[in-house]
Amino acid sequence: KAGVTQTPRYLIKTRGQQVTLSCSPISGHRSVSWYQQTPGQGLQFLFEYFSETQRNKGNFPGRFSGRQFSNSRSEMNVSTLELGDSALYLCASSWGSGQETQYFGPGTRLLVL
Amino acid sequence: DAKTTQPTSMDCAEGRAANLPCNHSTISGNEYVYWYRQIHSQGPQYIIHGLKNNETNEMASLIITEDRKSSTLILPHATLRDTAVYYCIVRVGQGSSNTGKLIFGQGTTLQVKP
Repeated sequence: KAGVTQTPRYLIKTRGQQVTLSCSPISGHRSVSWYQQTPGQGLQFLFEYFSETQRNKGNFPGRFSGRQFSNSRSEMNVSTLELGDSALYLCASSWGSGQETQYFGPGTRLLVL
Repeated sequence: DAKTTQPTSMDCAEGRAANLPCNHSTISGNEYVYWYRQIHSQGPQYIIHGLKNNETNEMASLIITEDRKSSTLILPHATLRDTAVYYCIVRVGQGSSNTGKLIFGQGTTLQVKP
């Protein structure tokens, strides 16, 4: 069974631009969670989607948003990019209805110049 | 904030068992202990999880103390490829609205040496 895939793997943007990252969960998984990893803050939870609805949200500004499609694929968007948004963005999928294990993708490395 | 405390770093000789401790003294009855590891710049990899009984899979063993306030991840025969950051995470159980949220601490950097 294929794992979680994320595209693109690497991205360079400039301040003020916006970016959209994509995550395809493991087949059959209905929950997708997003995390940001930076050297200073470590791994931080952004949000979680289940059946196209946001179920949980972390403590990030409104510039960070996401959505989930009917096929469980998810996208996250960051508008008005800042230098501090440079990070590894990870998504994780799980079957979704409770205490299932989350499986992570390889991440998208975003560099904001 | 993370509910776990781990040593910042540990060394282990190749071929020997690596024992990684984790303290979670405020764990609640319905909270699970999860272990993930992250090899440099890759996505975290799930290792094992447990509630109160010891668990074993093809990768590792998880020993949880009877009072559940601490646990130990055991890699029975460490190899150089086990060099990674290991995260111990306490996660709420089913029925909570926060089941999808993993709170990572700083983890333990395990260096396996030849």
